[in-house]
Amino acid sequence: DQQVKQNSPSLSVQEGRISILNCDYTNSMFDYFLWYKKYPAEGPTFLISISSIKDKNEDGRFTVFLNKSAKHLSLHIVPSQPGDSAVYFCVGGTDKLIFGTGTRLQVFP
Amino acid sequence: DSGVTQTPKHLITATGQRVTLRCSPRSGDLSVYWYQQSLDQGLQFLIHYYNGEERAKGNILERFSAQQFPDLHSELNLSSLELGDSALYFCASSVAPNARDTIYFGEGSWLTVV
Repeated sequence: DQQVKQNSPSLSVQEGRISILNCDYTNSMFDYFLWYKKYPAEGPTFLISISSIKDKNEDGRFTVFLNKSAKHLSLHIVPSQPGDSAVYFCVGGTDKLIFGTGTRLQVFP
Repeated sequence: DSGVTQTPKHLITATGQRVTLRCSPRSGDLSVYWYQQSLDQGLQFLIHYYNGEERAKGNILERFSAQQFPDLHSELNLSSLELGDSALYFCASSVAPNARDTIYFGEGSWLTVV
């Protein structure tokens, strides 16, 4: 049972443009969500989070939007930079963190 | 560098064997989490320990076991290994007794079962 779904395994965006990574979830018990970023040969690192009582959280170039009625969240990166190229995991949180399968973002010049 | 140390970084072993993966959490962190990442899979939560006690269990097979020692390091024991156990095993740590806190991941231990 995949409680957190990232249906796009990969995304390619030009430098300077917006990257939008999408995530759907099925578990209504999640009360917060996170995005983690992973570079090759490294462990995932925390990027940004959002409480389920909010619909938006912004941190610099990164904004996460939450639509609880649709059970959907998205991560916007503006402007995208080559250093953003990584795998991004959407994570649902209750008493444990449930990771999605990840989306590989490639930002090209 | 997250401060979480995992050993070994790479391990190749035969089916039916047993291995132990070790994790040292960040200084001051009391929680240790274990995750498994197989090919094309997200990170599957295995188990969580806080200050030596098991706090939550995920999709951990009965052939697998873990523990957290008084010095807070943790070990994940994998026995009767099968080809499908080949994966990247991550350890993560945090200060809090639950997952409502940023958790910090190590670089992982690559296990290949042949």
